[in-house]
Amino acid sequence: AQKVTQAQTEISVVEKEDVTLDCVYETRDTTYYLFWYKQPPSGELVFLIRRNSFDEQNEISGRYSWNFQKSTSSFNFTITASQVVDSAVYFCALSGTYNNNDMRFGAGTRLTVKP
Amino acid sequence: DAGITQSPRHKVTETGTPVTLRCHQTENHRYMYWYRQDPGHGLRLIHYSYGVKDTDKGEVSDGYSVSRSKTEDFLLTLESATSSQTSVYFCAISDSGTVYAGWDFGPGTRLTVT
Repeated sequence: AQKVTQAQTEISVVEKEDVTLDCVYETRDTTYYLFWYKQPPSGELVFLIRRNSFDEQNEISGRYSWNFQKSTSSFNFTITASQVVDSAVYFCALSGTYNNNDMRFGAGTRLTVKP
Repeated sequence: DAGITQSPRHKVTETGTPVTLRCHQTENHRYMYWYRQDPGHGLRLIHYSYGVKDTDKGEVSDGYSVSRSKTEDFLLTLESATSSQTSVYFCAISDSGTVYAGWDFGPGTRLTVT
């Protein structure tokens, strides 16, 4: 069975601090995909990034960076110099190749960035 | 933004009544999904469709049925709503069965069963 664990339920930081959101996953598939979504207070789900299991290269996009480590089954997300607009719930998700129509989400981490 | 709309956006209904939620897309995507979002659970797949009249169950399908008679519409029905079905429901679409294509999500429907 596939499972995603986001152990941090809520995180609160002050603006300009760096913050890392943890994501640990379980899967028996050898090929799988990992995702991060953002859900701002307005409620919509915003796609942030997708990685496949063959590509462990870390990625940086502006203030966002992702650290994918197969050895520890983790796909962590870091926001550098956080801003109030980063306040949202962040979801990590996993989909394998056996049934790639069943994307499994973590419970989410609520990030609050205070001014 | 992907052309996905959900209706209604908010609904309050009584236990035991039938409820139908609609997802409409203008992208002509083949795959459509219904998820529910609950605190502590993230999003969980209810049902999905891989074509007109082709549907399959997801992780939490009990108490729900779906129908897809047109490419653009995917309906989610609660035959007899229960309080445990109070949730936010999201529709998603994808143009491919491959996960690499990603999902685009609709704006959500907040359903309250009293």
